[in-house]
Amino acid sequence: DTEVTQTPKHLVMGMTNKKSLKCEQHMGHRAMYWYKQKAKKPPELMFVYSYEKLSINESVPSRFSPECPNSSLLNLHLHALQPEDSALYLCASSQEFEKMRGYEQYFGPGTRLTVT
Amino acid sequence: AQSVAQPEDQVNVAEGNPLTVKCTYSVSGNPYLFWYVQYPNRGLQFLLKYITGDNLVKGSYGFEAEFNKSQTSFHLKKPSALVSDSALYFCAVRASGAGSYQLTFGKGTKLSVIP
Repeated sequence: DTEVTQTPKHLVMGMTNKKSLKCEQHMGHRAMYWYKQKAKKPPELMFVYSYEKLSINESVPSRFSPECPNSSLLNLHLHALQPEDSALYLCASSQEFEKMRGYEQYFGPGTRLTVT
Repeated sequence: AQSVAQPEDQVNVAEGNPLTVKCTYSVSGNPYLFWYVQYPNRGLQFLLKYITGDNLVKGSYGFEAEFNKSQTSFHLKKPSALVSDSALYFCAVRASGAGSYQLTFGKGTKLSVIP
């Protein structure tokens, strides 16, 4: 099973709201990622968790707050977002992160976020 | 800095004809190369990868890609295109050295297979 699930599929939120995106994988992967993707553009890396610890933060604004409660779950907490944050948010996982192996990443279907 | 170039924004091919989606890369040292496909309003789906070994890599759904070190290319190919292959295709590269982590994507190529 190479499935990564994400909820919700769609989310509309106001600029003062607080919401969370959820991601789950049961492949035993120890690395999990959040990406942001604008229409017809490649994904942009936001965060990487390795063994449930934050390894990479690509200078993402603090209104995005990631959390990794356990090895299968990844959350992205959203607060005081701006309209330009509207995008498809993709979660991905891979077997490992920092080892010198070419592990592929498996992506979830994404959450389509609209900030009004 | 590493980079990926997908020189064609769009590729049109007739159903049943062979297809090629081009990708060239720049990276320090040996590359790990990947192809992903994205259908509308969906996440990226892994197709195939080159790590080491045989330059011809076979992947899902009849796709294959050929690694050419001298030309720094990793073109995606399929002998006979299907209408259902119509999607956005991303090539990606990661350096194989210790400490490297960034997976760099190309801008994507939209493939349209015409019935």
